[in-house]
Amino acid sequence: DAGVIQSPRHEVTEMGQEVTLRCKPISGHNSLFWYRQTMMRGLELLIYFNNNVPIDDSGMPEDRFSAKMPNASFSTLKIQPSEPRDSAVYFCASSLALVKNEQFFGPGTRLTVL
Amino acid sequence: DAKTTQPTSMDCAEGRAANLPCNHSTISGNEYVYWYRQIHSQGPQYIIHGLKNNETNEMASLIITEDRKSSTLILPHATLRDTAVYYCIVSPGANAGNMLTFGGGTRLMVKP
Repeated sequence: DAGVIQSPRHEVTEMGQEVTLRCKPISGHNSLFWYRQTMMRGLELLIYFNNNVPIDDSGMPEDRFSAKMPNASFSTLKIQPSEPRDSAVYFCASSLALVKNEQFFGPGTRLTVL
Repeated sequence: DAKTTQPTSMDCAEGRAANLPCNHSTISGNEYVYWYRQIHSQGPQYIIHGLKNNETNEMASLIITEDRKSSTLILPHATLRDTAVYYCIVSPGANAGNMLTFGGGTRLMVKP
């Protein structure tokens, strides 16, 4: 298995532009998580889905952020409009926790908003 | 989730055992202790987890005190590739619906 796939790996955009981050979870996994990591705030959970349904989005910073999971093999995190403070590494993780809560993380997308 | 307390950083000599402590004095009876690590520029990686018994796998050993208020992750023979940030997390139950709350972790530096 290729693991969790994220695209793009790097994104540089200008303030005010729309940014879409993409994630393909591991096949067969039923939970998907979006995290954001910055030096100041560390690794924060933004939202997670179970069986394609958003369960907890309390970590989404504001209405500019939205996430969707249209099917079991694809999810997007969208920022519109983007701001410089959104610059961070965004990780997607998936899990199939029948016995243990082991999350498999993707390589991350490094977002820079100028 | 219960909070955890870890030292900010630790050093270990290559080939020696690395013992990483974690305090979780407010842990509840149904909460597990999880350990993840994050090597520079990569996503976090699961290491091991336990409820109350000591656990061992190919990566590490986890020692949980009898009162469950603290635990120690042991890397028996640390290598340079074990240099990473190690996160101790308590999570209520081992199912996909439970979130992991990452704290600051311990930055382990393995030195030659």
